[in-house]
Amino acid sequence: NAGVTQTPKFRILKIGQSMTLQCTQDMNHNYMYWYRQDPGMGLKLIYYSVGAGITDKGEVPNGYNVSRSTTEDFPLRLELAAPSQTSVYFCASSRQGAGVAKNIQYFGAGTRLSVL
Amino acid sequence: AQSVTQLDSHVSVSEGTPVLLRCNYSSSYSPSLFWYVQHPNKGLQLLLKYTSAATLVKGINGFEAEFKKSETSFHLTKPSAHMSDAAEYFCVVIDTGRRALTFGSGTRLQVQP
Repeated sequence: NAGVTQTPKFRILKIGQSMTLQCTQDMNHNYMYWYRQDPGMGLKLIYYSVGAGITDKGEVPNGYNVSRSTTEDFPLRLELAAPSQTSVYFCASSRQGAGVAKNIQYFGAGTRLSVL
Repeated sequence: AQSVTQLDSHVSVSEGTPVLLRCNYSSSYSPSLFWYVQHPNKGLQLLLKYTSAATLVKGINGFEAEFKKSETSFHLTKPSAHMSDAAEYFCVVIDTGRRALTFGSGTRLQVQP
């Protein structure tokens, strides 16, 4: 049971470089999310998607882009990396529908990114 | 908008003693609330969820939380701490529109031998 898989686990970028954080889930969940976690803080929502082809901004979208061409994959792209983007990034997914049970989010293990 | 406030950034207990991690919520309607746990360098794991079916919610690893509407609280408890409980705990409320989670700032639980 893979669940939510994120790659890479660690990455160091130079200022101005770009990269894509990969996220894939095998639970056929419609909803997917990207969060960032800064040291000593809770998670903040970057972008989310309610299904293939549909994405929307969260609380902190600046400097990021996403796409959702398939149900399984939800990559996060950093175009011009900045030191402020040093963080741990978590991808999550959940089922569609009403009710709290369907709102449970399943998280990947995270990608630790440093921008120097 | 919904929000949660975790009242303690750090809690230290001795092994075998009770654990209390405090969380207050703010919501204009009945919220959906969760507690997640994050062990060092790991992802997040769901401990328990409030479904409105019962105000006392039981989770994994002996944890419980009680929803108190009059106090707008959802505190997490465990009768007897274990060393393996040392972790960061997050109280979370869900935005039912986006189904995205709003996290509290977290409480680091330290368990002393």
